[in-house]
Amino acid sequence: DAGITQSPRHKVTETGTPVTLRCHQTENHRYMYWYRQDPGHGLRLIHYSYGVKDTDKGEVSDGYSVSRSKTEDFLLTLESATSSQTSVYFCAISESVGASYFGPGTRLTVT
Amino acid sequence: TQLLEQSPQFLSIQEGENLTVYCNSSSVFSSLQWYRQEPGEGPVLLVTVVTGGEVKKLKRLTFQFGDARKDSSLHITAAQPGDTGLYLCAGARPGKLIFGQGTTLQVKP
Repeated sequence: DAGITQSPRHKVTETGTPVTLRCHQTENHRYMYWYRQDPGHGLRLIHYSYGVKDTDKGEVSDGYSVSRSKTEDFLLTLESATSSQTSVYFCAISESVGASYFGPGTRLTVT
Repeated sequence: TQLLEQSPQFLSIQEGENLTVYCNSSSVFSSLQWYRQEPGEGPVLLVTVVTGGEVKKLKRLTFQFGDARKDSSLHITAAQPGDTGLYLCAGARPGKLIFGQGTTLQVKP
């Protein structure tokens, strides 16, 4: 299994609070991704990174920001959490665009 | 707008039956991946297809990439309850993957 972890694995937070999710890899892969998975929508890309300090928006980036200061860490921040951001969040890594390895997911509930 | 359309979205069959899942697009992809996801876990990569017309086999699973690299299929022979899960296709675009909405497969003993 690819060395990829996510923290926390579960979180409950209140509307309006900031939340940061962490993805950590030990594979030294160049690309890192944040997705959210919701029923009926499959996996939707939030943001991705193609190198340290190099990031770009995905299809559902509003309300989210990311940072990658080290190869191994990719942080996803919800600036002011809303109920619509209740979801399961997956981090993924890949050496090149294509085959990706996913973390175990973070289940976020915004009340 | 869904760039990758998977069909069917749900499939419930008996053990031993064959099935095919389709992944279609109007766009060309440089490669296409298939993933399988079980409840509470992240997707796991099954295969990557790169060349138009390519066929890959993984035990009872056969994956095909369309000649024009716009579509793909996954065929399972003699399905078993252990095949139950969510099957996702994903196409590679510059810098990222685009996922289909998934096919939920249930194989009943």
